[in-house]
Amino acid sequence: EIVMTQSPATLSVSPGERATLSCRASQSISINLAWYQQKPGQAPRLLFYGASIRATGIPARFSGSGSGTEFTLTISSLQSEDFAVYYCQQYDLWPRTFGQGTKVEIK
Amino acid sequence: EVQLVESGGGLVQPGRSLRLSCAASGFTFEDYDMHWVRQAPGKGLEWVSQIGWNSGNIVYADSVKGRFTVSRDNAKNSLYLQVDSLRAADTAFYYCVKPVSTRYCGGAICYGAYDYWGQGTLVTVSS
Repeated sequence: EIVMTQSPATLSVSPGERATLSCRASQSISINLAWYQQKPGQAPRLLFYGASIRATGIPARFSGSGSGTEFTLTISSLQSEDFAVYYCQQYDLWPRTFGQGTKVEIK
Repeated sequence: EVQLVESGGGLVQPGRSLRLSCAASGFTFEDYDMHWVRQAPGKGLEWVSQIGWNSGNIVYADSVKGRFTVSRDNAKNSLYLQVDSLRAADTAFYYCVKPVSTRYCGGAICYGAYDYWGQGTLVTVSS
């Protein structure tokens, strides 16, 4: 099973600041990686697939990058609606696996 | 508009069973493999199962293998998850999810990320 490790577990950021979230795979997954955002009481929302392809309706302040085992989600200027939990997921091999999540909270 | 609506969750005793359903609309259901993902309250996401567009290519997480059975009815645009021998650790919201790519994708351009999620149905296993 591919283990996905996200860091940090919690990121405290002020509105308007840049946030950088990391996701590491235990083995190479090429670019078969997705990022999701989840707010309390809601289902996750797809942000990126193919590591860097922005999903429909996702603002340009979000960007995804990486390949192989190292991936990054960057939010260039945090807005109030961006405070949430973010998950990465690999879909290269079975079983599909998710990272444990990074909570982005208001500093 | 794509919609995925789960139902069938509830409070159940350990060892008992439930059948979860997902009603899909707004897309050509038979063109997609479909998945179940679960999330224990306050915890992270766990992939549970996939069923291929033609009910083939069925895959399960080790944690549910032998206890859960996924099925679908393309004529009814519906996905199901039969959950048997339930344990406290199965307590979770169960989401029906649709992947980005259809069954017609091939090779490097198949995207297994999930672009639509249902609202989830809560299964609580407790005596």
